[in-house]
Amino acid sequence: GDSVTQMEGPVTLSEEAFLTINCTYTATGYPSLFWYVQYPGEGLQLLLKATKADDKGSNKGFEATYRKETTSFHLEKGSVQVSDSAVYFCALIGTFTGGGNKLTFGTGTQLKVEL
Amino acid sequence: DTGVSQNPRHKITKRGQNVTFRCDPISEHNRLYWYRQTLGQGPEFLTYFQNEAQLEKSRLLSDRFSAERPKGSFSTLEIQRTEQGDSAMYLCASSPFSNRGRPSADTQYFGPGTRLTVL
Repeated sequence: GDSVTQMEGPVTLSEEAFLTINCTYTATGYPSLFWYVQYPGEGLQLLLKATKADDKGSNKGFEATYRKETTSFHLEKGSVQVSDSAVYFCALIGTFTGGGNKLTFGTGTQLKVEL
Repeated sequence: DTGVSQNPRHKITKRGQNVTFRCDPISEHNRLYWYRQTLGQGPEFLTYFQNEAQLEKSRLLSDRFSAERPKGSFSTLEIQRTEQGDSAMYLCASSPFSNRGRPSADTQYFGPGTRLTVL
């Protein structure tokens, strides 16, 4: 079945540091890929998405490129801020979900940004 | 606020009791999903509705769980005879559904969740 593997946290960075959170997936066909973010005390929010190979999703300075050859969708940001502290989830919707479009999530990576 | 809402936000119950949660999706969204998230894990799919029809249920959804969406608007998730293993955050999400393009790309919008604690 479909699965998502992301790097374990917590990840602790200083403000303005470069961020990479690795995400790889297993799925047949051509899944759609997503990054969701969960700020403390809040619900999941879509951060960015990509629906086909070589697409780059971007939002709020975050970027991720859909790499089919390496089955990866790594999240990057050039300069993190304290306000980026949150839990980040990589997720996919598989091609063959029977029409249900259910999301399959990774376990999440906690990011803590310090001054 | 026109986002997804869930009630209650927190529920503490004793083992063996029944509980019911409610989800109000974004009004024009015809798809509604339930997920469960345990501590340190990502959300796991439970079930989804398209309008009032429940079209898929995960094997995680035992016969103690039942979900309804009677008029294609709000949904309820009931857990009967709760067990301590049911303690989790229950998340609801909604999305539009379009026959054009790639439906799998439709964004799911999540509510804040209902945190269930079974003592």
